[in-house]
Amino acid sequence: GAVVSQHPSWVICKSGTSVKIECRSLDFQATTMFWYRQFPKQSLMLMATSNEGSKATYEQGVEKDKFLINHASLTLSTLTVTSAHPEDSSFYICSASALGGQPQHFGDGTRLSIL
Amino acid sequence: AQSVTQPDIHITVSEGASLELRCNYSYGATPYLFWYVQSPGQGLQLLLKYFSGDTLVQGIKGFEAEFKRSQSSFNLRKPSVHWSDAAEYFCAVGAGAGTASKLTFGTGTRLQVTL
Repeated sequence: GAVVSQHPSWVICKSGTSVKIECRSLDFQATTMFWYRQFPKQSLMLMATSNEGSKATYEQGVEKDKFLINHASLTLSTLTVTSAHPEDSSFYICSASALGGQPQHFGDGTRLSIL
Repeated sequence: AQSVTQPDIHITVSEGASLELRCNYSYGATPYLFWYVQSPGQGLQLLLKYFSGDTLVQGIKGFEAEFKRSQSSFNLRKPSVHWSDAAEYFCAVGAGAGTASKLTFGTGTRLQVTL
């Protein structure tokens, strides 16, 4: 149980384009989803917290206009990197939590490479 | 503010040997503690968690961790390491029992297993 699917797993695109990453909870309802960024050989840095039906809460230093987060349903959250540039290249990981004191369950991540 | 310290960046053990990965946390109230494992290019898998109760917590894959409030530690142990345990291990602390609480991760410990 508690499976989180993230898609795509790898994307390469040109500088200036926008990229959308999906995070789905497959077997539970995720009232809260989290988006992390991980640089090579480093830890996870929380970017934002999203609750279903409300605006995401961004961490300090994260540009909300660049990293658009939508949590339109209890099973889906999306992260859109707008006008992506090479410095946005990174490993992005989502996680999801349900009610009832369960821990966060993580997706397998998306490796984003901007050329 | 909560924080997590994993003092060992890299550890190498022989297959069959015992393992202990250190984790120290800083948090003003009762911490909610987690250990996650990450294989290269993948997301995080929950090994075990501590919310309350018995301070020795059993997890998956033969791992266990002991919460020691007096030492602000939550060290991960395994009596006999297998080659497949080679991965990155992250300790994390949450701000509350609720699933919407943010996690703060340590910098990770990379485990290498020699045959």
